[in-house]
Amino acid sequence: TQLLEQSPQFLSIQEGENLTVYCNSSSVFSSLQWYRQEPGEGPVLLVTVVTGGEVKKLKRLTFQFGDARKDSSLHITAAQPGDTGLYLCAGSLTGTASKLTFGTGTRLQVTL
Amino acid sequence: NAGVTQTPKFQVLKTGQSMTLQCAQDMNHEYMSWYRQDPGMGLRLIHYSVGAGITDQGEVPNGYNVSRSTTEDFPLRLLSAAPSQTSVYFCASSYSGASAYEQYFGPGTRLTVT
Repeated sequence: TQLLEQSPQFLSIQEGENLTVYCNSSSVFSSLQWYRQEPGEGPVLLVTVVTGGEVKKLKRLTFQFGDARKDSSLHITAAQPGDTGLYLCAGSLTGTASKLTFGTGTRLQVTL
Repeated sequence: NAGVTQTPKFQVLKTGQSMTLQCAQDMNHEYMSWYRQDPGMGLRLIHYSVGAGITDQGEVPNGYNVSRSTTEDFPLRLLSAAPSQTSVYFCASSYSGASAYEQYFGPGTRLTVT
């Protein structure tokens, strides 16, 4: 059983469209992170959220941590081909801050 | 500042062979981890270390050994390779940042076991 479920698994959209990726769990996390991974490379951290209800913006990317700290979302406005990649959420369970549990990933393709 | 480095980048092993995947970091991070990435399963934690001389098992430790004699290095040993260990392996380091242990990943080692 996967602790963190991401949806959708795959997303293919055209440039300029908006999209939302979801990361859900039945467990409470002390913090949650989002990473982006490009082919042949390791994941790169985008953002960390730690407070329930927290919203963080990174240019066209908006990240939200659920009030109960069990879920998170990533919204991309006006997607660009450079946004193409694998998006991974990862959470730290309370009391195990040094161990991350990763979601299954959402593969995004943005075409012209 | 090279960050996290991994060698080799690619490796092919025969079933039963052993090998060591190397990982080094130059950021003086206390935490280091090994993950494997398989299609549709995200990253799964194999072993991790919270400091030199201290290691612990992650989610999928069977068939792998680790040791941490220095802060910089965290090698992963495959004792007797099996086809089920065909995967992409990532090493990561982290520190207790302002809010969470944000991970810095190496470029990965793609391992095929035949």
